[in-house]
Amino acid sequence: EVQLVQSRAEVKKPGDSLRISCKGSGYSFTTYWIAWVRQMPGKGLEWMGIIYPGDFDIRYSPSFQGQVTISADKSISTAYLQWSSLKASDTAMYYCVRHSRMGATLSWFDPWGQGTLVTVSS
Amino acid sequence: EIVLTQSPGTLSLSPGERATLSCRASQSVSSNYLAWYQEKPGQAPGLLIYDASTRASGVPDRFIGSGSGTDFTLTISRLEPEDFAVYYCQQYGSSPLTFGGGTKVEIK
Repeated sequence: EVQLVQSRAEVKKPGDSLRISCKGSGYSFTTYWIAWVRQMPGKGLEWMGIIYPGDFDIRYSPSFQGQVTISADKSISTAYLQWSSLKASDTAMYYCVRHSRMGATLSWFDPWGQGTLVTVSS
Repeated sequence: EIVLTQSPGTLSLSPGERATLSCRASQSVSSNYLAWYQEKPGQAPGLLIYDASTRASGVPDRFIGSGSGTDFTLTISRLEPEDFAVYYCQQYGSSPLTFGGGTKVEIK
């Protein structure tokens, strides 16, 4: 079974750094793009960016460029989303998703991780 | 960037009724690369339809995707109690990939 398992919920203060994770299993981790999707409280879905673990090619949405860092460690089949200085406006649910078409940057998403809730509050 | 507009924002229907959800793109979606997802409270979204009209594995045949170019539709032929949820369309024909704002299907 193809599965993405994300790290647990986090509560942080403004200015803190954070890295959340997404571990893939049941497929060849290095041959499918992984994307991150944000969902702010009560809002819709926003595509943040993607990474290809095979060669670490990374593409960011213009809306998130410079705001977050996407990375991966293919030795442990894990992708990461990182902030150097959190803001209250980063409070959201974050999902990792796999591109369904092998090697394709343009693809639908399946499966989805269970989500990581990040709460930033003083 | 392609902007997707979903309508209506909320659809109030009874079990057994037909639901028609619209997703309109600000420009033509390349190769009709459009997907639909279902989100239930407390759960991650799940894939229903891709390539505008192909049902994902295990999705009941009451879910029907159609359309091309800039106008796409998700039809639920007869609503079951488990179908009351929020539905999102997504285009993956060009980067950045974008989502519509969602349509909530609620019990009337």
